[in-house]
Amino acid sequence: GDSVTQMEGPVTLSEEAFLTINCTYTATGYPSLFWYVQYPGEGLQLLLKATKADDKGSNKGFEATYRKETTSFHLEKGSVQVSDSAVYFCALVNQAGTALIFGKGTTLSVSS
Amino acid sequence: GAVVSQHPSRVICKSGTSVKIECRSLDFQATTMFWYRQFPKQSLMLMATSNEGSKATYEQGVEKDKFLINHASLTLSTLTVTSAHPEDSSFYICSARLGQGQGYTFGSGTRLTVV
Repeated sequence: GDSVTQMEGPVTLSEEAFLTINCTYTATGYPSLFWYVQYPGEGLQLLLKATKADDKGSNKGFEATYRKETTSFHLEKGSVQVSDSAVYFCALVNQAGTALIFGKGTTLSVSS
Repeated sequence: GAVVSQHPSRVICKSGTSVKIECRSLDFQATTMFWYRQFPKQSLMLMATSNEGSKATYEQGVEKDKFLINHASLTLSTLTVTSAHPEDSSFYICSARLGQGQGYTFGSGTRLTVV
């Protein structure tokens, strides 16, 4: 079945460091891909998405490119801030085209 | 934007009792809602998909009789954990699909603790 694998955390960075969180997927066809963020004590929020190969999603300085050849959707940010500390989830829409399937989440901790 | 309101945010119940969690779509009609369960430091596991006016579709391994889902209207879906036990303690999150290609919105979650 469909699945998402993302890098284990926690990821600990200093402010202004470069961030990469790896995400790869297994799915039939070409599902839409998402990154969600969960700030402490809050619900999930959509960070960015891409719906087809080579699409680049971007938001708040974060970017991810839909790579069909490597079945990947790695999240990057050039300069992280303390306020970016959160749990990040990579996800895809399941084969039925209905629900989201999530990776395990990666905790990011940014210190000043 | 589209908001899903989930209540309660936290609940503590005694073993053997039942707990109901509600999710309401506040400014849109949610034909389809999803229920997830999140264990500490683990991913969100899809439990079931509920469609308004019909029976929920449960994922493999999820007990239908323990986790009762009702989606009686376009703005309300409920999850009832029946005869709760400590192993049911978890974080439960609902989600609604916003429409073709428009993504999903999530409730703020319910922390269930069974003692």
